Amino acid sequence: GESVGLHLPTLSVQEGDNSIINCAYSNSASDYFIWYKQESGKGPQFIIDIRSNMDKRQGQRVTVLLNKTVKHLSLQIAATQPGDSAVYFCAESPQTGANNLFFGTGTRLTVIP
Amino acid sequence: KAGVTQTPRYLIKTRGQQVTLSCSPISGHRSVSWYQQTPGQGLQFLFEYFSETQRNKGNFPGRFSGRQFSNSRSEMNVSTLELGDSALYLCASSLAGRGQGYEQYFGPGTRLTVT
Repeated sequence: GESVGLHLPTLSVQEGDNSIINCAYSNSASDYFIWYKQESGKGPQFIIDIRSNMDKRQGQRVTVLLNKTVKHLSLQIAATQPGDSAVYFCAESPQTGANNLFFGTGTRLTVIP
Repeated sequence: KAGVTQTPRYLIKTRGQQVTLSCSPISGHRSVSWYQQTPGQGLQFLFEYFSETQRNKGNFPGRFSGRQFSNSRSEMNVSTLELGDSALYLCASSLAGRGQGYEQYFGPGTRLTVT
């Protein structure tokens, strides 16, 4: 799952700080949204998801916020760790459970020790 | 349990040739989806198979095709390869269907280089 060569937005944070990664989605009819993490040499790894009838969902150290009015999604990572360094993608689907996902361009997060 | 496996991991082909990639989903998963990842276009959905039937299809030319076997293993084929087909091809599997077990698990991908 190499992402080398992608011209991605980048975000650098100090270890221990909170990270916020943003994503604008395109389809106002999308019903389901997911955040994935992709490390070098690996496929995308599921982080957290949210349905369109929610505006916030929390997981372990992560929170996803959904603003349907402006078609915006964000991923908050608390107490960022070096192992969080990766490329993060948001993905949308027209229907919860549908597997034809549409991915954003991704953001490269670098955690500075 | 074992994750999604893809073979081969790396492949080099010449323009005009064809290629077949293989994906073995997580045991019990019946849905297999394929994605293409390139620096220019990012991650793009190719198609999804569920119970040996193509359920969804992305916007790719007919040179890209796939199939699924009764054991849920899937293959994708690209005919008449073009330089622009060089990419990382990712396979993802999930449980039964919509409304339940829809979380997709990705394999490590097959890196295809067309020269």
